[in-house]
Amino acid sequence: DAGVIQSPRHEVTEMGQEVTLRCKPISGHNSLFWYRQTMMRGLELLIYFNNNVPIDDSGMPEDRFSAKMPNASFSTLKIQPSEPRDSAVYFCASSPGTPTWQFFGPGTRLTVL
Amino acid sequence: AQKITQTQPGMFVQEKEAVTLDCTYDTSDPSYGLFWYKQPSSGEMIFLIYQGSYDQQNATEGRYSLNFQKARKSANLVISASQLGDSAMYFCAMREGGPGSSASKIIFGSGTRLSIRP
Repeated sequence: DAGVIQSPRHEVTEMGQEVTLRCKPISGHNSLFWYRQTMMRGLELLIYFNNNVPIDDSGMPEDRFSAKMPNASFSTLKIQPSEPRDSAVYFCASSPGTPTWQFFGPGTRLTVL
Repeated sequence: AQKITQTQPGMFVQEKEAVTLDCTYDTSDPSYGLFWYKQPSSGEMIFLIYQGSYDQQNATEGRYSLNFQKARKSANLVISASQLGDSAMYFCAMREGGPGSSASKIIFGSGTRLSIRP
């Protein structure tokens, strides 16, 4: 079985550019989570979806960040415009309908120059 | 308010010794879950063990066990017979709400970096 799939694995972009991160959750899982990890702030929950509906986006840093889940097998996290302080590893995770634990994707390492 | 506290930023342990990683939590929800994840230098997050708030026995998974002390609100991870491959960052996490809760986000602690000496 494939785990959570994230793309790209690495992204280097320049300040002001739009960045789109992609996630495919494990088939059958109906909760999806986006996290950001930095040395300074640790692992932060940005937003999570249940049955494709955003439940809590209080962790989204500002309006430059947006996330969508158009169907059960795909989600995107978009940053527009990107800034150097957005540099981090972004993880996507999914869990089944009665969540006990989350399965993490390999992460996307984002560098904004 | 911080709900998950890991007070050991780093630990060094001799290979083959047992190690305990501390975690305390705070919640007013009677139903919750506690987790430990391992993050090696390669960066992936690996689920290790889970303990439900109503579970009567401490969870165990191979060399990992969770020392769950509900009254003290602690959920320490114990690794028996440590190995060099155990060197990694370890995160404690908590989910509020029962397994059937539709809004079940997980909050992570700041992590403990474990280094195993040969």
